Amino acid sequence: GQQLNQSPQSMFIQEGEDVSMNCTSSSIFNTWLWYKQDPGEGPVLLIALYKAGELTSNGRLTAQFGITRKDSFLNISASIPSDVGIYFCAGQLRGSQGNLIFGKGTKLSVKP
Amino acid sequence: EAQVTQNPRYLITVTGKKLTVTCSQNMNHEYMSWYRQDPGLGLRQIYYSMNVEVTDKGDVPEGYKVSRKEKRNFPLILESPSPNQTSLYFCASSFRDNSPLHFGNGTRLTVT
Repeated sequence: GQQLNQSPQSMFIQEGEDVSMNCTSSSIFNTWLWYKQDPGEGPVLLIALYKAGELTSNGRLTAQFGITRKDSFLNISASIPSDVGIYFCAGQLRGSQGNLIFGKGTKLSVKP
Repeated sequence: EAQVTQNPRYLITVTGKKLTVTCSQNMNHEYMSWYRQDPGLGLRQIYYSMNVEVTDKGDVPEGYKVSRKEKRNFPLILESPSPNQTSLYFCASSFRDNSPLHFGNGTRLTVT
């Protein structure tokens, strides 16, 4: 099936550093979503993007919908220990119904 | 509180013993979906439902059944579980099929 390539797979950073992760695909997407999953819980929506070029912030998080509609990135500024978790991108293909395709996740570890 | 509720949270069963994982949402969402999450494979869609009595296969439907008799409930049925269905399962719902998904807290299933 369709795939999203999410990178990096994991990151181990110092508290206070900025973080950047991205997702790419060979297909065109109508929607890009970014989720965070804490241990033992379901993914929680962080940011939703609906238009090519759209740049949206949620506190220290910023995400962009790529101009080509084939990629998206998520930045976290001034990371803190509670940012630890797995971050997933997800996209809905243009012309598709019902199925969000997920990246395989970026595991973020933050050292105090 | 708006939420997606799955039960049980943990389940250990034996091969061939039919089981049902329940999912209920209180947000009057039209769209509901089941995913399984496996290490290295990310989140993969099993089945989804666009509305009452409307269900369709996702990427990995083999060995699973669903039903959508009421808007709020979307149970996942394993008629004859096998060890390769050992996984972490998530139910999710959204207002429409292209709206962001809200996830339950997961059901960890082990089939021996």
